[in-house]
Amino acid sequence: QLQLQESGPGLVKPSETLSLTCSVSGGSVSSRSYYWGWIRQPPGMGLEWIGNVYYTGDTYYSPSLKGRVTISVDTSKNQFSLKLNSVTTADTAVYYCARMFSSGWWVDYWGQGTLGTVSS
Amino acid sequence: QSALTQPRSVSGSPGQSVTISCTGSSNDIGGYHYVSWYRHHPGNAPKLIIYDVTKRPSGVPDRISGSKSGNTASLTISGLQAEDEAHYYCCSYAGTYSPYVVFGGGTKVAVL
Repeated sequence: QLQLQESGPGLVKPSETLSLTCSVSGGSVSSRSYYWGWIRQPPGMGLEWIGNVYYTGDTYYSPSLKGRVTISVDTSKNQFSLKLNSVTTADTAVYYCARMFSSGWWVDYWGQGTLGTVSS
Repeated sequence: QSALTQPRSVSGSPGQSVTISCTGSSNDIGGYHYVSWYRHHPGNAPKLIIYDVTKRPSGVPDRISGSKSGNTASLTISGLQAEDEAHYYCCSYAGTYSPYVVFGGGTKVAVL
């Protein structure tokens, strides 16, 4: 059974960088059938796609976050990571890592989510 | 990109049917057969219930169905049960040369 687990600091100061890692077990980030992505949900709001990475390192980002976000994959550690820089309080959200099927990018597995709070 | 448009809430009595609409554009829903739906109980991770417009993952009952017409997708839940009370999000693949994913704003389904 595939499992995804987010980790990283829960509290970040404004203007700093939010860094999260997703560790994958029960499957491989090197699979050619899937992308690995990040999705967030601000308090009281809906889901927002942040971006994806393929095992080759190819990345795709939300147009609204492009320029602030970097997603990378480490196949040797079977994990992938998110960096969101120049954060503001609007970036406070539950951040989910996810496995996305390569055709259609629907999510079949989600991490449990981790709260990332931006506050001074 | 703009979020897909969903009603904020729908409700129904046990045993009834409810349908949630999800309106986008020719750049997303209308242009691809890649609409998915997720059920989300607060505090838990969302769960995939429909993918590729009409397909159900293993374990999802056939009283849950999806469809699409033009730029609008729909999710129908028949034989409403207490466990169906949750938030539901539609999602579509989008973009041709620079692909991305767009979600709807979410619909709260209340079982009366």
